Amino acid sequence: NAGVTQTPKFQVLKTGQSMTLQCAQDMNHNSMYWYRQDPGMGLRLIYYSASEGTTDKGEVPNGYNVSRLNKREFSLRLESAAPSQTSVYFCASSWYNEQFFGPGTRLTVL
Amino acid sequence: AQSVTQPDIHITVSEGASLELRCNYSYGATPYLFWYVQSPGQGLQLLLKYFSGDTLVQGIKGFEAEFKRSQSSFNLRKPSVHWSDAAEYFCAVGGYSGGGADGLTFGKGTHLIIQP
Repeated sequence: NAGVTQTPKFQVLKTGQSMTLQCAQDMNHNSMYWYRQDPGMGLRLIYYSASEGTTDKGEVPNGYNVSRLNKREFSLRLESAAPSQTSVYFCASSWYNEQFFGPGTRLTVL
Repeated sequence: AQSVTQPDIHITVSEGASLELRCNYSYGATPYLFWYVQSPGQGLQLLLKYFSGDTLVQGIKGFEAEFKRSQSSFNLRKPSVHWSDAAEYFCAVGGYSGGGADGLTFGKGTHLIIQP
């Protein structure tokens, strides 16, 4: 039982490049989330998926897209990366209202 | 809109002393409240949660928190801190709508420093 896994762990991009952050959970949870963490800002919700086939915007969705591929997987895509998207990205899944977090992806955009 | 305020950005406590970290929230419905801890370069670990019932909740590592609806507060306490408690602490609030669990709103965190 791996819980919530994220790939990659680290990534460096140049401005304008695109990439997809992958997230998977093996706990059979319906809901999944993407957050970003910036120094002094706590975690902020980017997008979430309450169930397979649905996605909704969170507090800071601009510049991101998501795909709920199936019940297990929820990906986050940066179409044209910007330096302002330098951050640590956390994926989470939830049972009822308790969320379980992945280890994070540290992304730097130059 | 929901919000969480952690008034203290940094707190320094001597090892063995008691600790209280403050958290105030704003939420339109019945809140679900959480405290998470994060060590440098690590992910988030859930310390404790409040959904309903007894307003004093016990968590892991000897932490407890008290929900006070009248004050919109959910303060975290520990009677005697250890050097290993040095970390970043986050308070969070969320809800549960008919379609599934809403995302959490986090405070900006309190950085706990332990003095020997």
